[in-house]
Formats: sequence, C-alpha cells, structure tokens
Amino acid sequence: NAGVTQTPKFQVLKTGQSMTLQCAQDMNHEYMSWYRQDPGMGLRLIHYSVGAGITDQGEVPNGYNVSRSTTEDFPLRLLSAAPSQTSVYFCASSYLNPRGWDEAFFGQGTRLTVV
Amino acid sequence: KNEVEQSPQNLTAQEGEFITINCSYSVGISALHWLQQHPGGGIVSLFMLSSGKKKHGRLIATINIQEKHSSLHITASHPRDSAVYICAVYGGATNKLIFGTGTLLAVQP
Repeated sequence: NAGVTQTPKFQVLKTGQSMTLQCAQDMNHEYMSWYRQDPGMGLRLIHYSVGAGITDQGEVPNGYNVSRSTTEDFPLRLLSAAPSQTSVYFCASSYLNPRGWDEAFFGQGTRLTVV
Repeated sequence: KNEVEQSPQNLTAQEGEFITINCSYSVGISALHWLQQHPGGGIVSLFMLSSGKKKHGRLIATINIQEKHSSLHITASHPRDSAVYICAVYGGATNKLIFGTGTLLAVQP
C-alpha cells in the first residue's frame, strides 16, 4: 500500500516556465487537495476535489490549475511560474466523512524554487 | 487574527519532560486534527477528535468545544518527538481545513 505518492521532491524553475506536480493515492479516497507551506504561515489550500470530475478552488488558487480525471490522480499545474510560487507543496487525501475530514494522508512534499 | 492560534510557537524541553501544546480556534468546527511534521518534511496525522480525549501511546489530545480549545500532551518526551506539531480545524461551513502555523518542538537528551 503506497499511500500518497507525490513527485518530484525538489524542482527549480525559471520564471515563466510551466510544470506539473503529480499526486497519486491508492486508497480510493474521495477527497484530494493541494496545499502550499510558507515560512511563518499555516498550510494554505490551493485547490481540492471531492471526487473524479469535481474540483474547486481553495484559499490561494491563482496561478494554479488542477484536474481530477480519475479517483487516484490529482495533478497540480503551474501555468507560468513566478518567484512568489516558491514554496513547499503538499498533496493530501482522505475519505469524506459527513462530520468532517477523516484521517488525512499527506505526500512527502515538493520543494519548489522559482528563480 | 488567525482563525487557528497555536502556542507556544517554539518549545525546547529536556528528555522525560511532560509537554503541552495548545490550540485555540475562533470558528465553529466539526472536527479538530493534530498533525506532526518531521524535519524531513513529511506530515502525518496524529489525531482527529470532535469531543473529549484521545490517547495513542505517549500522546494525549483533548478538546473543549465550549471553550474552543484543544491541547496535545506528550508524556515522557524523547528526542525523537522533535518535530513541528500542527493543529487544524475542519470548519464545516467552509468544507475546508484551516491550519495553525505550528509549534516547533525540540527535545534535548
């Protein structure tokens, strides 16, 4: 059982380049989400999905796109990288619980630097 | 003011000490999570609770819904407990998790 697999672990981009961060889970979780973590701030939600074909914006969606064509995969696309997108990115997944988030499983994180 | 506040921000303890990390929140919630982030960066879920108290090994989490406050206790602390501990609340109205900024714990031998 691999859990949540997030790639790559490290990436350096030049301003204006695009890239895709990959996230896959093998637990049949409905809920998947992307966060960014910046110094002195809590994890902030970028985009999330409650099932295949359904995505929605989080707190800081600008500059990022997502899609959910399958239950397993939830890639995050940076359309035109900017230095402000230098951050550590986490993908997370969980079952949907009517009372709230169920136990969350996180990927190992991607440290992205935009120069 | 952040919707989720943790205290202290930094904590240094000696091995064997009893440790308490606090989390206060200002929104109505249906669940609260405690997470642990190790120096390597990985995040793991420790507890999810909506009332009362939960215990797992040397870790104990409590929540007081009326006071909008939760605590994470570590008994007989050990250097391997050194990590960032993050409180997050599920605000049912927003369908999203709101995270605190974390408490950096260092346990010295």
